[in-house]
Amino acid sequence: DTEVTQTPKHLVMGMTNKKSLKCEQHMGHRAMYWYKQKAKKPPELMFVYSYEKLSINESVPSRFSPECPNSSLLNLHLHALQPEDSALYLCASSQDRGFGGLGYGYTFGSGTRLTVV
Amino acid sequence: AQSVTQLDSQVPVFEEAPVELRCNYSSSVSVYLFWYVQYPNQGLQLLLKYLSGSTLVKGINGFEAEFNKSQTSFHLRKPSVHISDTAEYFCAVSDLVTTDSWGKLQFGAGTQVVVTP
Repeated sequence: DTEVTQTPKHLVMGMTNKKSLKCEQHMGHRAMYWYKQKAKKPPELMFVYSYEKLSINESVPSRFSPECPNSSLLNLHLHALQPEDSALYLCASSQDRGFGGLGYGYTFGSGTRLTVV
Repeated sequence: AQSVTQLDSQVPVFEEAPVELRCNYSSSVSVYLFWYVQYPNQGLQLLLKYLSGSTLVKGINGFEAEFNKSQTSFHLRKPSVHISDTAEYFCAVSDLVTTDSWGKLQFGAGTQVVVTP
């Protein structure tokens, strides 16, 4: 299995809703990432998990809450989002964060397209 | 800190013609360099990467890139494009030295390639 699987593919949520995005990989990768991509823009890093521990938080608002329950699974919990949070949310993984692991590159999922109404 | 500049926001090209996408980077430390492709409504797929060694790197789908240290460039080329190469292309760098930055990908703004018959 050489894929990163993201669910759901599309999500529409109201500003008072709570929802979660799910990301799964079975490649034995020990680093997992959340990126946010607005239309016609490059992806922007949100969070990095390394060996199930949060390593990097790029000053993301607390209405986004990541969770890494095990080495294969990464969640992004959403609460009280704003319309400007509408974007494509991409999950990625790599063998690890460091010199050797990142040299193989990231594997990206297809993303969850989120619309906040 | 690193930065990545993709010099062309859009490149129109005829089918079977060659294409070159330009990428320049700046960094005070050693970096990995990557090219990713994003097809409409999909995640990112790794085309190729430069880690060290030979400055000419071959990737998937007939793409290649040349690393030029003196010009801090990593331009992507394909000798003959197909309609299916229509996509967004992102150049990216990753810091190898600063442990706090390990795992981060810094993307350029992207180049939209539009292939017409």
